[in-house]
Amino acid sequence: EVQLVESGGGLVQPGGSLRLSCAASGFTFSDHYMDWVRQAPGKGLEWVGRTRNKANSYTTEYAASVKGRFTISRDDSKNSLYLQMNSLKTEDTAVYYCASQMDVWGKGTTVTVSS
Amino acid sequence: DIQMTQSPSSLSASVGDRVTITCQASQDISNYLNWYQQKPGKAPKLLIYDASNLETGVPSRFSGSGSGTDFTFTISSLQPEDIATYYCQQYDNLPPITFGGGTKVEIK
Repeated sequence: EVQLVESGGGLVQPGGSLRLSCAASGFTFSDHYMDWVRQAPGKGLEWVGRTRNKANSYTTEYAASVKGRFTISRDDSKNSLYLQMNSLKTEDTAVYYCASQMDVWGKGTTVTVSS
Repeated sequence: DIQMTQSPSSLSASVGDRVTITCQASQDISNYLNWYQQKPGKAPKLLIYDASNLETGVPSRFSGSGSGTDFTFTISSLQPEDIATYYCQQYDNLPPITFGGGTKVEIK
């Protein structure tokens, strides 16, 4: 069964950092592009960024709203995806989902940025 | 950035009704469009990919059409379990991938 499980969410103060993880199983993780998508409370979906696969040099892309603050990485040996979030703002409060090529999604992990 | 304009933002229909949602892209995206269903407190679920292809296991009452800038998502016969918010999403040109604003579907 294809499965994505996010972890690492929590409460953090503005200006703080947090690292999210996404554990993948049931498919060949190393072949897939992986995305992070977030959803602020009561709002729509916002794409955060993408990491491509080894064949595409693990290149990354980011939304303008997070570029320079967030970093996406992956460890194919551990079937894991990461989102390092620095300089967090209150507007980064959201449920963060990882998704495999935008067709399979995890259940999400909640990040709350508040003092 | 490509803007996705989705309408209506909400609708109320009776069980068995045909429901149609539209999504307009700010520029030509060919057929690089997905449709998702999101139920409250759950992750989005892919229903339609490449504008008109039904994802495996998705009931055939769901369908999608269109190309270029104008797209349509249809539920041929609304069922109680279809109550959800539906999103279109383009992936022709990133960054960024962009989503429509969502359509909340309710039962009348």
